[in-house]
Amino acid sequence: AQSVSQHNHHVILSEAASLELGCNYSYGGTVNLFWYVQYPGQHLQLLLKYFSGDPLVKGIKGFEAEFIKSKFSFNLRKPSVQWSDTAEYFCAVIWTNAGKSTFGDGTTLTVKP
Amino acid sequence: DAGVTQSPTHLIKTRGQQVTLRCSPKSGHDTVSWYQQALGQGPQFIFQYYEEEERQRGNFPDRFSGHQFPNYSSELNVNALLLGDSALYLCASRWAGTGHGYTFGSGTRLTVV
Repeated sequence: AQSVSQHNHHVILSEAASLELGCNYSYGGTVNLFWYVQYPGQHLQLLLKYFSGDPLVKGIKGFEAEFIKSKFSFNLRKPSVQWSDTAEYFCAVIWTNAGKSTFGDGTTLTVKP
Repeated sequence: DAGVTQSPTHLIKTRGQQVTLRCSPKSGHDTVSWYQQALGQGPQFIFQYYEEEERQRGNFPDRFSGHQFPNYSSELNVNALLLGDSALYLCASRWAGTGHGYTFGSGTRLTVV
């Protein structure tokens, strides 16, 4: 079965620290990749997406992600986090041959001021 | 404003009852997907509607059914409710053209007692 794995359930950082959240997915052909963020009390919002082309994708709020096809990974990064980045982050994958989307279980990021 | 409107926001039902949840997609979007998000987990894909037909389906029983109307709005119906159906139900919409991610609504919190 197609699966998405987010390695860290809860990450705690101090402001200005660098962030990297892992996301791996199972093999299944061509994929579309997404990172969503859910701030406390708010709906899911799209941070960035990868469909094709440059494997380094830049999103909103200074986030970026790199698609490494050989590692089936799409890790999210931010050089310097802020307190306002405290949220839950979800990686999502659509295997284009199946059309179904699968989310990881999410990583809760807490940024201490 | 999420652009995707879901109603109601909260709902309490008794085991065995039936429930209908509603979703109005973002203006310009023609594809609607429904997700179930249990506490502490990522959204689980239920099904996707496009051109008033169910196009993709996740691993959910037939008790879960849906509909899409000519104006692209959608309903999720769940029959014979179980306690385990208690969750946040999310609707997401997008335009069917390639390269577009989903916009999520704020969800309907369903509690089955």
